[in-house]
Amino acid sequence: KQEVTQIPAALSVPEGENLVLNCSFTDSAIYNLQWFRQDPGKGLTSLLLIQSSQREQTSGRLNASLDKSSGRSTLYIAASQPGDSATYLCAVNRDDKIIFGKGTRLHILP
Amino acid sequence: DTAVSQTPKYLVTQMGNDKSIKCEQNLGHDTMYWYKQDSKKFLKIMFSYNNKELIINETVPNRFSPKSPDKAHLNLHINSLELGDSAVYFCASSQDSGAVYEKLFFGSGTQLSVL
Repeated sequence: KQEVTQIPAALSVPEGENLVLNCSFTDSAIYNLQWFRQDPGKGLTSLLLIQSSQREQTSGRLNASLDKSSGRSTLYIAASQPGDSATYLCAVNRDDKIIFGKGTRLHILP
Repeated sequence: DTAVSQTPKYLVTQMGNDKSIKCEQNLGHDTMYWYKQDSKKFLKIMFSYNNKELIINETVPNRFSPKSPDKAHLNLHINSLELGDSAVYFCASSQDSGAVYEKLFFGSGTQLSVL
C-alpha cells in the first residue's frame, strides 16, 4: 500500500532564505509525482509535475527533484517571499490513484 | 475564467439532510474526481469518472452518490448526512485517467459542516 509522508509538518523561515520541503513514498512504482500549493480556504494549485523518468523540474524560483529508487522528492524554494506562505502537498500517481501527503505548512516571516 | 468550479463554497446543514455539491470544468478534460480533505488536511480520493463512466470508487458509504450528466460535470449527492461527513470536498479534473503526463486541476473546495 502506497503511503506518502511529508516532513516537516510545519516550517517557519525568514524572508529571503532558501528552503527545502521533503516528500517520501513507500512504493517506487509511480507514474509521476506532483507538488501542489494550497492557500487557506482555497483550492489546490499545481506547481510542478515530474514524470517517473525525470529527475527534476524547474519553474521560476521552484525546483522539484525526484529519486524514485529511494522514494523521495524535494521541493526547493529559492529566495523565499511572504507570498510563498501556504501549505505544500506532494502527490504520487499510479494505477488511476493519486495519493497525497498531509502537507507542509510553510510560513515566511517578513 | 475558472477552470474547475464547484458550488457552493460553504454548506452548513443539519444531520439527516440530503445535499448536493456541483462541479463543472471547462478544460475539455475527460476525467473528473472527488476528493475529501479531513481535519488533518489529508486528501483522499472518493470517486473518479472518465467520460461519464465510474472508474474509481474507493471505500465510501453508499450515502454518497456521484452523478456525471456529461464529461464536463461531476456532481456529488449525499444522503442522510452525518456529523462525520463534515470536511472540505474538492473536485478535480485531468485530461486522462492517471496517464504519465497528467496534471490535476482542482476546484476551490466546498466546506461542508454538518450540525
